[in-house]
Amino acid sequence: EAGVAQSPRYKIIEKRQSVAFWCNPISGHATLYWYQQILGQGPKLLIQFQNNGVVDDSQLPKDRFSAERLKGVDSTLKIQPAKLEDSAVYLCASSFDRAFSGANVLTFGAGSRLTVL
Amino acid sequence: KNEVEQSPQNLTAQEGEFITINCSYSVGISALHWLQQHPGGGIVSLFMLSSGKKKHGRLIATINIQEKHSSLHITASHPRDSAVYICAVRRLDSNYQLIWGAGTKLIIKP
Repeated sequence: EAGVAQSPRYKIIEKRQSVAFWCNPISGHATLYWYQQILGQGPKLLIQFQNNGVVDDSQLPKDRFSAERLKGVDSTLKIQPAKLEDSAVYLCASSFDRAFSGANVLTFGAGSRLTVL
Repeated sequence: KNEVEQSPQNLTAQEGEFITINCSYSVGISALHWLQQHPGGGIVSLFMLSSGKKKHGRLIATINIQEKHSSLHITASHPRDSAVYICAVRRLDSNYQLIWGAGTKLIIKP
């Protein structure tokens, strides 16, 4: 089974520039998460999608961050304009939407490391 | 009070020791995940539990739904087990929202 694919793996930009990250979840996984992980901290949920609908975006800085999952499959996360404090690893994860599945159903991508100079 | 509490926050042990990391939660859940993150590495899901016990190699995870408590055990610990171990629960009443514990930083010394 293919894992959660993310790109790019690394990105370096200057502040005030824009950047976009892409995530392709595991086939059939209805739930998709974007997390921000700053060095030395735990992951912070930015947005959760159920199919192509937003379930939770309460911690997404909407003045500069946006995310979409138009066809309920892959997703993009955009930052415009970037700030220094956006330097972090952006993790995408996907899961089944059924509660009691016998399978291990929460899978993370390798992450996209962003450095803002 | 956090809805998911892990203990200990930090744990240092000698190679070969039996390790236990605890997770308590205060909300209704449909499942509980144990995850592992090595320094500078990605997050790997170790177990998903809704009842009972699961074993994979030297790792054992148990959950007691009535007591709202789960434990992750590592037998015959090895320096390569050094990582942050995170407990996350899938909340029952909130669109399967994941609530994360703060993590336990484990260091195994040779």
